[in-house]
Amino acid sequence: AQTVTQSQPEMSVQEAETVTLSCTYDTSESDYYLFWYKQPPSRQMILVIRQEAYKQQNATENRFSVNFQKAAKSFSLKISDSQLGDAAMYFCAYRSFYGGSQGNLIFGKGTKLSVKP
Amino acid sequence: DADVTQTPRNRITKTGKRIMLECSQTKGHDRMYWYRQDPGLGLRLIYYSFDVKDINKGEISDGYSVSRQAQAKFSLSLESAIPNQTALYFCATSDPARGQGYTFGSGTRLTVV
Repeated sequence: AQTVTQSQPEMSVQEAETVTLSCTYDTSESDYYLFWYKQPPSRQMILVIRQEAYKQQNATENRFSVNFQKAAKSFSLKISDSQLGDAAMYFCAYRSFYGGSQGNLIFGKGTKLSVKP
Repeated sequence: DADVTQTPRNRITKTGKRIMLECSQTKGHDRMYWYRQDPGLGLRLIYYSFDVKDINKGEISDGYSVSRQAQAKFSLSLESAIPNQTALYFCATSDPARGQGYTFGSGTRLTVV
């Protein structure tokens, strides 16, 4: 079974600086998808960025980018020019390319990011 | 209107009571899910449904049951609530194209006293 590990329960960053959140995963599959979700205090789950495993190019969405290292099974999230609104819980998630229950989303335990003014 | 609506938003109930959490979606997706979030544990899958007649247990289904009343509606029940079921509960739906991730409701915070 696949697992997702976020080794940093909490992180802190100064406003306007850059922070990287770590995520590793374990799978024997070659095709899959990876996601980062943001959960602000409003508790809404917001999709930040997604990556297809078959794409070598790292995904980017404005100030958010990933460093996808397939061989190392690593999927870190970089937040540039951090803003107060980036303070939230961040979840890394894995989804198999294949159907059935394998296609269910598997989450890490989350990293709580604080942004200092 | 939200794509995925959960009711109630917050609920306090007593040990032993039956409670139902409701979820409806306007995305037109067949797949729906119930997750539970606890501090330090992330989100864990309780039940999932791939269509009205296909309901499956997830990682932590004990003490829970579900009903898929229609494509758009998926309810979670706690038959006899206990304090360790105090948690944040999320309903979600997904597109068959698995690369699209899930769309989540805004969650129900349930407290069992």
